[in-house]
Amino acid sequence: KQEVTQIPAALSVPEGENLVLNCSFTDSAIYNLQWFRQDPGKGLTSLLLIQSSQREQTSGRLNASLDKSSGRSTLYIAASQPGDSATYLCAVSWAGNMLTFGGGTRLMVKP
Amino acid sequence: SQTIHQWPATLVQPVGSPLSLECTVEGTSNPNLYWYRQAAGRGLQLLFYSVGIGQISSEVPQNLSASRPQDRQFILSSKKLLLSDSGFYLCAWRRAGNFYEQYFGPGTRLTVT
Repeated sequence: KQEVTQIPAALSVPEGENLVLNCSFTDSAIYNLQWFRQDPGKGLTSLLLIQSSQREQTSGRLNASLDKSSGRSTLYIAASQPGDSATYLCAVSWAGNMLTFGGGTRLMVKP
Repeated sequence: SQTIHQWPATLVQPVGSPLSLECTVEGTSNPNLYWYRQAAGRGLQLLFYSVGIGQISSEVPQNLSASRPQDRQFILSSKKLLLSDSGFYLCAWRRAGNFYEQYFGPGTRLTVT
């Protein structure tokens, strides 16, 4: 069964810290992997998309890496800020048309 | 640029009443469209997706149905709501093909009482 797992479910860090969010998936034959951010009561905002042929993508303070052989992706957030507090979701495309989501990591950045 | 709209933003409905949620996308043509549900304390569940007008695929058996009457319009319906239908409903779109980002709408909060 194709599954996506995110550990930990929740994370609390002090402002300014660099942090890594983890995503693991069970089948390496992916099309792509997408990271999202969700604020409470809001829709999902796309952060980064990594194609299966890519190793990483960067946007501002965010860097996402992909290691298909080990079935892992990480989202690196540099110099975290209270405004980064949100739930971060990882989603994998295996079947082209559809995404399979992990359970998310709820991040709290304390001032 | 492309935008996605959902309405209503919030809805409170009694058990047994009908439901109609609407999603529209602007600025693109022939998108793939998706309906997800996010129940409290649970992850995102894909309910339906559509690759074209009148083409609907259902991912889970349930009390809901979907329709795509126009290229950029996706509707989620129910004839009789259950308490378990409460949740946050999200519509999403993506360009047809395997290598594009998926974008989400603002969501509809449904409470069935």
